[in-house]
Amino acid sequence: EDQVTQSPEALRLQEGESSSLNCSYTVSGLRGLFWYRQDPGKGPEFLFTLYSAGEEKEKERLKATLTKKESFLHITAPKPEDSATYLCAVQEASGTYKYIFGTGTRLKVLA
Amino acid sequence: EAQVTQNPRYLITVTGKKLTVTCSQNMNHEYMSWYRQDPGLGLRQIYYSMNVEVTDKGDVPEGYKVSRKEKRNFPLILESPSPNQTSLYFCASSKLAGDYEQFFGPGTRLTVL
Repeated sequence: EDQVTQSPEALRLQEGESSSLNCSYTVSGLRGLFWYRQDPGKGPEFLFTLYSAGEEKEKERLKATLTKKESFLHITAPKPEDSATYLCAVQEASGTYKYIFGTGTRLKVLA
Repeated sequence: EAQVTQNPRYLITVTGKKLTVTCSQNMNHEYMSWYRQDPGLGLRQIYYSMNVEVTDKGDVPEGYKVSRKEKRNFPLILESPSPNQTSLYFCASSKLAGDYEQFFGPGTRLTVL
């Protein structure tokens, strides 16, 4: 069964304290892996798409990487405004166009 | 402004009373989708549509119906709501069906008593 698991469930960082969020997945073939950010009371907002192992993408303090079994979202020198829930999703490379989301990592960055 | 809109934003109803949550996008997107979000379970896909008149089940379709008669609209229908359908619902759209970023609506908080 296709599955997406994110860890940790919650993470508290001091401002400037770098860390990584993990997304492990099991699918028979990967069409794409997606990272989203969700603020309380709002819909998710797109961050990155990764397609193949070894791929990396960066945006401001965020960097996403992909291996054959997992993806990491690295947060460098985070600021309080980076506090949010970060969601990972995969789309399988099959005949369907379903998305499977993980349960997210709640990040709190303290000033 | 490019956006996905949902109505209503909040709804309290009773068991068995049919309801429709509307979703509309103004980006000429082909792919649209409905999700529910529950604590500890994350976002789960209910139904998706790859284009007009083309819909398919997600992981949790039981108790829901959808239709896609126009490209911009993708309503979610609960014909006989039950308390276990109390949830936060999101509509999303993307340019095409495969591996494109999804744009999410603001969410509809539904309570079924």
